[in-house]
Amino acid sequence: EVQLVESGGGLVQPGGSLRVSCSASGFTFSSYAMHWVRQAPGKGLEYVSRISSNGGSTYYADSVKGRFTISRDNSKNTLYLQMSSLRAEDTAVYYCVKDRGTGYWYFDLWGRGTLVTVSS
Amino acid sequence: QSALTQPASVSGSPGQSITISCTGTSSDVGGYNYVSWYQQHPGKAPKLMIYDVSNRPSGVPDRFSGSKSGNTASLTISGLQAEDEADYYCSSYTSSSTRYVFGTGTKVTVL
Repeated sequence: EVQLVESGGGLVQPGGSLRVSCSASGFTFSSYAMHWVRQAPGKGLEYVSRISSNGGSTYYADSVKGRFTISRDNSKNTLYLQMSSLRAEDTAVYYCVKDRGTGYWYFDLWGRGTLVTVSS
Repeated sequence: QSALTQPASVSGSPGQSITISCTGTSSDVGGYNYVSWYQQHPGKAPKLMIYDVSNRPSGVPDRFSGSKSGNTASLTISGLQAEDEADYYCSSYTSSSTRYVFGTGTKVTVL
């Protein structure tokens, strides 16, 4: 079955760190760019970060630049988001999202998300 | 990069047609045919409904259709059904470094 399963969310204090993971199955993970999109409680979707298929290129939204690091392990079919210096405004459900592929500009598979809560 | 503008809410009765607009600029919606639409039910992950302005993925009912005129894209749901009640987000390719921008989201209510 083609799916993405996030894990690692939880409660963390302001200024703390957390790493969320995304396990991919059912497709050739190493062939696709991957993304993280987040959604604060009751709010809309916010694009956070992306990584190329081989991990050589990354992008970060200004809101997380310098604090978050995206990475991937193609041998383990796993995507990561290392989050540090966390703020209350980082509280959100973090979705792992699959890119459709080179030359396409949409997302064709979403995970169920993992909730990160930043609070003291 | 500002979010694309969508109406906060749209409603309709079962069987009716509704249209959700998504307004951007010439740097995103107006400049490229790379608009996609996602449906999100409460507590669930978004689901792709339309890509490249007007294409439906396999399994998406044909009552969902997309179009674009200038800087505004639209999603039309014809023959509205109770199960269509959800939040809908548009997304577009953008020439800015972010490459992707989402709309503000629209809550569809079936009366």
